[in-house]
Amino acid sequence: AQSVTQLDSQVPVFEEAPVELRCNYSSSVSVYLFWYVQYPNQGLQLLLKYLSGSTLVKGINGFEAEFNKSQTSFHLRKPSVHISDTAEYFCAVSYDYKLSFGAGTTVTVRA
Amino acid sequence: GAVVSQHPSWVICKSGTSVKIECRSLDFQATTMFWYRQFPKQSLMLMATSNEGSKATYEQGVEKDKFLINHASLTLSTLTVTSAHPEDSSFYICSARDSGGASTDTQYFGPGTRLTVL
Repeated sequence: AQSVTQLDSQVPVFEEAPVELRCNYSSSVSVYLFWYVQYPNQGLQLLLKYLSGSTLVKGINGFEAEFNKSQTSFHLRKPSVHISDTAEYFCAVSYDYKLSFGAGTTVTVRA
Repeated sequence: GAVVSQHPSWVICKSGTSVKIECRSLDFQATTMFWYRQFPKQSLMLMATSNEGSKATYEQGVEKDKFLINHASLTLSTLTVTSAHPEDSSFYICSARDSGGASTDTQYFGPGTRLTVL
């Protein structure tokens, strides 16, 4: 079975500051890794994904994530956040096309 | 591209009635769609996998007779909550996997349907 742990439930951050959202996963098989963002009362939007190849993955809206196999981590980063980045962020693993989500991290960006 | 729509976006119904939610892939074909449930301030929980032309596969603990899924075409899956009760109130989100594209590993999500049962 696969599982995902998001280590921070809430992350407050000031505008234009960097942010890192931590994600660790557990799996006995190779999996794909994803980060999704959810704005209030909306569905999920794909930020980025890791399938294979380069461990540094760049996504939309200036986000990037690094896959670390030895630490089973897939942390999400953005060097400078905007007010509009206020949202819920979910890390997920995919195996056999099924997604397992972490509990989510609420990012609140303040001016 | 890869747009998924859901209808309705919100619905209020009386206890004991049935509610149907539609999930459509607008610009791609999806042999597989997924239905999730999300409670406030919580993560998404996979309810079932909807397969075009065959029966849905339900996750453990999900009542298949209560949550009826029909995937009648390559672009449409429906979830019917039968005899709804207040505890069924939730945010239901569907996703679809592009079966013909280059990213068959990626699920594209609909905007969700807020169900409130009175």
